Amino acid sequence: DAKTTQPPSMDCAEGRAANLPCNHSTISGNEYVYWYRQIHSQGPQYIIHGLKNNETNEMASLIITEDRKSSTLILPHATLRDTAVYYCIVSGTSQGNLIFGKGTKLSVKP
Amino acid sequence: DVKVTQSSRYLVKRTGEKVFLECVQDMDHENMFWYRQDPGLGLRLIYFSYDVKMKEKGDIPEGYSVSREKKERFSLILESASTNQTSMYLCASGPGGRLNQPQHFGDGTRLSIL
Repeated sequence: DAKTTQPPSMDCAEGRAANLPCNHSTISGNEYVYWYRQIHSQGPQYIIHGLKNNETNEMASLIITEDRKSSTLILPHATLRDTAVYYCIVSGTSQGNLIFGKGTKLSVKP
Repeated sequence: DVKVTQSSRYLVKRTGEKVFLECVQDMDHENMFWYRQDPGLGLRLIYFSYDVKMKEKGDIPEGYSVSREKKERFSLILESASTNQTSMYLCASGPGGRLNQPQHFGDGTRLSIL
């Protein structure tokens, strides 16, 4: 079972920041938080990951709380092409497989 | 950029056929994975490989086998296709030995078994 909890859906206005929350209260010390997204009919696309510090790349920012029990993915200026299902995954398994939950369906509206 | 290429985007086969799904990655990754994705069930791991000629069963290996003869290529084989194997199949690769590096996925093969 997935070790994360995400809202099933969210809306965001085009050009505004999209803030996607994720709870992972049972995360252990060596587990990373990964975010992927999946646009309809395509494979999951890696966005960003982190351990305990906040991270930023060209796609998004990841804010992890100090206790590491939750995180937020921030898309600073959402566009229509950001409409997708966003998955928050906690992983540190030795075999490296990812356990995807149901994710959050983000709809960016004009 | 990492490139994971799956040989077909769409494939239609008949019950009982032997089906091969091919996946190639260009990043010299040690680990490769096969998942299937079904509505309401999410992604489920079928098999993975952490080295050439090595394979490990995932959560749902029944009815499937895999082959990894070269580091860059990981094949999924449906020995005798059945209608319940109609699904989206996703290949992924990732560096081995380092848990903090992400996997990268191909665009998937949507397989229909008639």
